[in-house]
Amino acid sequence: DQQVKQNSPSLSVQEGRISILNCDYTNSMFDYFLWYKKYPAEGPTFLISISSIKDKNEDGRFTVFLNKSAKHLSLHIVPSQPGDSAVYFCAAGLRDSSYKLIFGSGTRLLVRP
Amino acid sequence: GAVVSQHPSWVICKSGTSVKIECRSLDFQATTMFWYRQFPKQSLMLMATSNEGSKATYEQGVEKDKFLINHASLTLSTLTVTSAHPEDSSFYICSAIKGGRETQYFGPGTRLLVL
Repeated sequence: DQQVKQNSPSLSVQEGRISILNCDYTNSMFDYFLWYKKYPAEGPTFLISISSIKDKNEDGRFTVFLNKSAKHLSLHIVPSQPGDSAVYFCAAGLRDSSYKLIFGSGTRLLVRP
Repeated sequence: GAVVSQHPSWVICKSGTSVKIECRSLDFQATTMFWYRQFPKQSLMLMATSNEGSKATYEQGVEKDKFLINHASLTLSTLTVTSAHPEDSSFYICSAIKGGRETQYFGPGTRLLVL
């Protein structure tokens, strides 16, 4: 039973355009959500997070939107750059579960020059 | 900052030997560390949660006698793969959190190949 789902395994976007990565979850009790970027053979790099009490968080080119009623979050990257090409994982956590994270399966983003 | 290191980054060993992987938080004290493994083109699978000075909590299906975790200090956790077999070959990644914070910071990972 996947509690966190990323239904798009890959996404290709032109440089300069917006990249939108989506994530759905099933457990309405999740307290917070995070997005990580990962290159092959490296550990994930933290990008941005959002608390369940908010609906938007922005940090530079990255914005995360949370729609609790739909149990859906998305990561917007604008403008997209070739260096953004990587695998993006969303993750969800519960504060009372020792801060364990449940990861989605990842979306591979390719930003074309 | 929040830098996490892992050592070694690569290890090749013979079947039946044991391998120790170290995870260190370099610029903060980590109240909790986590160990993951990732198979090719798959997501990160949590193996265990490690709190300093106490026994690790293993996820369902993870053999605690096979994957020994020690969290001796607030900056160091070790994962020992005992009697390694080829099916243990994988990419092992650790992460750490600062006290009371939610964000996990990941190490660069260790690729294990068991021949």
